[in-house]
Amino acid sequence: AQKITQTQPGMFVQEKEAVTLDCTYDTSDPSYGLFWYKQPSSGEMIFLIYQGSYDQQNATEGRYSLNFQKARKSANLVISASQLGDSAMYFCAMRGNTGGFKTIFGAGTRLFVKA
Amino acid sequence: DARVTQTPRHKVTEMGQEVTMRCQPILGHNTVFWYRQTMMQGLELLAYFRNRAPLDDSGMPKDRFSAEMPDATLATLKIQPSEPRDSAVYFCASGLQGAYNNEQFFGPGTRLTVL
Repeated sequence: AQKITQTQPGMFVQEKEAVTLDCTYDTSDPSYGLFWYKQPSSGEMIFLIYQGSYDQQNATEGRYSLNFQKARKSANLVISASQLGDSAMYFCAMRGNTGGFKTIFGAGTRLFVKA
Repeated sequence: DARVTQTPRHKVTEMGQEVTMRCQPILGHNTVFWYRQTMMQGLELLAYFRNRAPLDDSGMPKDRFSAEMPDATLATLKIQPSEPRDSAVYFCASGLQGAYNNEQFFGPGTRLTVL
């Protein structure tokens, strides 16, 4: 069975500082993908970043980076230089290859960026 | 700018009525997902299709929910009869299996309220 755990229901960060959102996962699949999505108050789901389980390097996309620690089964999202517009709900998700294209989501972390 | 479209964006109905939600995936995508988002349960996968064939609908209450893809440009999710506990935001997402990150592109969602 697959499982995604986000233990931080809410986080505060000062504008321009970096913040780490935690995500741990559990899977028996030897190959899988990890995703982060952002959901602002408007409700849409915005793809941020992807990490494949066999990727040698941690993924980065602009101010977003994924701290992937395979042995610890963690895939934390790091947002550098936080902006007010980063205030949103953030979801970690996982797709295991033996489940086809099925993706499961964590409960989410609400990030508040303070001015 | 290709995007997933969903109609209606908002729906208010009375208990017992039939509800049909529609989704137009991004042209060329071969995988379609239906998710339900509630405060209590978070994001739940209801069903997903690949090449219009249902692969997994185990997340869907079978007695009242049905999902179909009449053609490659239309996916439908139907609830009959609807109940107040069905009130939620229903997201459709599409993707291209085989793409490197297998990203799912989400539609704007249908906010359903069942009175």
